Amino acid sequence: EDQVTQSPEALRLQEGESSSLNCSYTVSGLRGLFWYRQDPGKGPEFLFTLYSAGEEKEKERLKATLTKKESFLHITAPKPEDSATYLCAVRENTGFQKLVFGTGTRLLVSP
Amino acid sequence: NAGVTQTPKFQVLKTGQSMTLQCAQDMNHNSMYWYRQDPGMGLRLIYYSASEGTTDKGEVPNGYNVSRLNKREFSLRLESAAPSQTSVYFCASSEGKYTEAFFGQGTRLTVV
Repeated sequence: EDQVTQSPEALRLQEGESSSLNCSYTVSGLRGLFWYRQDPGKGPEFLFTLYSAGEEKEKERLKATLTKKESFLHITAPKPEDSATYLCAVRENTGFQKLVFGTGTRLLVSP
Repeated sequence: NAGVTQTPKFQVLKTGQSMTLQCAQDMNHNSMYWYRQDPGMGLRLIYYSASEGTTDKGEVPNGYNVSRLNKREFSLRLESAAPSQTSVYFCASSEGKYTEAFFGQGTRLTVV
């Protein structure tokens, strides 16, 4: 069964302190890995799609990378407004290729 | 551009009551989904519709039914609500089966 594991569960950073979030996955053929941001009381907001190992995407202070077994979301010089839960999801390579989500990393950036 | 719109945003039901959660998307997407989100469990797929006219069970379909009314609308029905269905429900849509999904703002449902 396809699984997605995110670590750490929670991360507290000082403003400007760079770090990385991890998403490891086991699928029988990756059809896409997706990163989302979720603020309290809101729906997940799409950030990035990665399709193949070695691929990288960037948006402001965020950079997502992909290997054959895991993805990293690097946060450079974070600001308090980057505080949110970050979710990782993969498309299964069976049937309809449904999205399977990890449980997320709660990020808190303090001023 | 509204994206994915869900109604209602909040609902309290008594055990045994029924209700329908509504979802509409204006992005001309083919695929639509219903997820529930519970603390520590992540997002779990209830039902999905790969295209207009088709629906299929996801990971946790028991106690729910769905209707893909047309290309825009996908509703989720609870026939006899149970406390275990207390959760936050999200509707999502995607252009196709390999692309990213876009989510609505959620419905917070409490069953007492």
